[in-house]
Amino acid sequence: DARVTQTPRDKVTEMGQEVTMRCQPILGHNTVFWYRQTMMQGLELLAYFRNRAPLDDSGMPKDRFSAEMPDATLATLKIQPSEPRDSAVYFCASGTRQGQPQHFGDGTRLSIL
Amino acid sequence: AQKVTQAQTEISVVEKEDVTLDCVYETRDTTYYLFWYKQPPSGELVFLIRRNSFDEQNEISGRYSWNFQKSTSSFNFTITASQVVDSAVYFCALSMGNTPLVFGKGTRLSVIA
Repeated sequence: DARVTQTPRDKVTEMGQEVTMRCQPILGHNTVFWYRQTMMQGLELLAYFRNRAPLDDSGMPKDRFSAEMPDATLATLKIQPSEPRDSAVYFCASGTRQGQPQHFGDGTRLSIL
Repeated sequence: AQKVTQAQTEISVVEKEDVTLDCVYETRDTTYYLFWYKQPPSGELVFLIRRNSFDEQNEISGRYSWNFQKSTSSFNFTITASQVVDSAVYFCALSMGNTPLVFGKGTRLSVIA
């Protein structure tokens, strides 16, 4: 089965450090989503791309977060500088046609100390 | 704006019991899609079922069934003869197409042997 691949699976780092999360969407999927899951907020959208173009990043703190798609096989989410409140699970998902389900990666569990 | 409400925070059942998870949604769009995802203790998000707004036919797939009623904006999910492996957090979600998912807060299901 085709899968969305996320790396790293777990990341522990100190406050102030740069964090980069990577996502390889399912081949042929033209839309990539970044979600964040926390106990308080649940699952919320950070940003998404279609055909590599950013469509919505209103869910991201602009001063410290950035999301890019250097090519169709790679999406990145960066946090610089990281803060303890960024500790969460970050999910990447990819999708294709309207109405078809999004498929999620296993997530990156991020802990900022 | 779209909204998904899962009023049940936690449910506990004994193995082999049937269990229904409730989901109520809000949207002004006439075309939309509803989904159920499962998040087992290992943390990944697994797609289970979907429905589009034009199809109110209720179906059964193995031990899963769903009841979609536009009149009450509800999309309830039933597991028949529950098993311990069904223990997970279940999320109901809404989208307008190949667009970001709006998730409910989730219902934690515990199936006790």
